[in-house]
Formats: sequence, C-alpha cells, structure tokens
Amino acid sequence: AQSVTQLDSQVPVFEEAPVELRCNYSSSVSVYLFWYVQYPNQGLQLLLKYLSGSTLVESINGFEAEFNKSQTSFHLRKPSVHISDTAEYFCAVSRIQGAQKLVFGQGTRLTINP
Amino acid sequence: DVKVTQSSRYLVKRTGEKVFLECVQDMDHENMFWYRQDPGLGLRLIYFSYDVKMKEKGDIPEGYSVSREKKERFSLILESASTNQTSMYLCASRGPPRYTFGSGTRLTVV
Repeated sequence: AQSVTQLDSQVPVFEEAPVELRCNYSSSVSVYLFWYVQYPNQGLQLLLKYLSGSTLVESINGFEAEFNKSQTSFHLRKPSVHISDTAEYFCAVSRIQGAQKLVFGQGTRLTINP
Repeated sequence: DVKVTQSSRYLVKRTGEKVFLECVQDMDHENMFWYRQDPGLGLRLIYFSYDVKMKEKGDIPEGYSVSREKKERFSLILESASTNQTSMYLCASRGPPRYTFGSGTRLTVV
C-alpha cells in the first residue's frame, strides 16, 4: 500500500518570501506523484505532476517540485510567493501499475501575510 | 477539458435519511472515485469503480455504498445518514494519468 505524509499542517510566510512544502511518500512499487491545490471555496486543481523523465517539474504559476527517489520525497517550492498563493496544498501518489487510485497526504495550509 | 459535475454544492439531511450524491463525467472514462475531505485528514478514498457495475472498497467504505449503472455516472449512497458523515465529498474521474475532480458536495447531517 502507498502512504503520503505532509510534514507541515500549516505554513505561514510573508509575501515575496520563498516557501517549501514538504511531502514524503512510502511505496513498495513505482508511483506517479502529484501536487494539487485548493483555493478557498474552490475545487481541487492539479498543480503539477511527475510521471517520468526529469526529476524537476514546474507549474505555470512558478511552483516547482523535485522527485527524490532515494529520500522518497516530492517537496514543493516557490522562490517568491504572492497573496494569491494562499490555499491548501495536497501531495498525492498513485501506482503506475495495478489499482491506480490516488492516495493523498493530510494537506498543508499555506497562508501568505502582507 | 474533462468536466466532472456533482449535482449539489450543499446538502442538509437529517440523521437516518438515505442520501444520494451524484457525479457525472463527460469523457467516457472508465475509472471514477469518491473521496471525503476532512480538515487535518486530507482526502480519503471511500469507493472507486473501474467500469460499469464494477466497484471496489477504498479506505473508509463503512456506512456507504455506490452505484455505477452507466459509464458516465457514479453515485455515492449513504444508506442511513449519521452526523459523523458530515463532510465535503469529492468525486473524481481518471483519464490516464490525469485525475479530474468535481467541485464537491458539502453535506451536513443534522
């Protein structure tokens, strides 16, 4: 079975500061990795995903995540955050083969202060 | 783009009522999922379906059942609603490897 741990339930940062949201996973088989974002009172949106190839993946709004197989991590980073990045962020994994259900972490609430 | 539509955004039901949550996708996807979202717990899988009339239990199926009579529609059923089923319910559809989520149904059981 797969499991995902998001190490911080809440992360407060000041606007224009860098941020890292941490995600570790456990799996005995190869997985795909995802970050989803949920803005206040909105649905879940895909932010970025790692399927294969380059271990560094980027989103269109400046976030990036790096797949580290040896540390089983997929941390999300942004060098300079904006007020509009205030949201809850979820890390998730799914098996590449077999039952391809998404397994989520507990979520990290990112709050940007002016 | 795939569209996943959940019929109700907010629902208030009484304890003991039978509750139906409906989800429809428009891309002929075989895989569909029901999750519930609770603060501090993330999203937990209730049931999923690989195809019409095919279903499998997720991590927290107790108190729930599902129905998939047509490929585009996946229904979540609370046979006898209880207050601990008050939650946000999210439906998802999978077109490999991408998952698309509905806007969610916030269910309150009183």
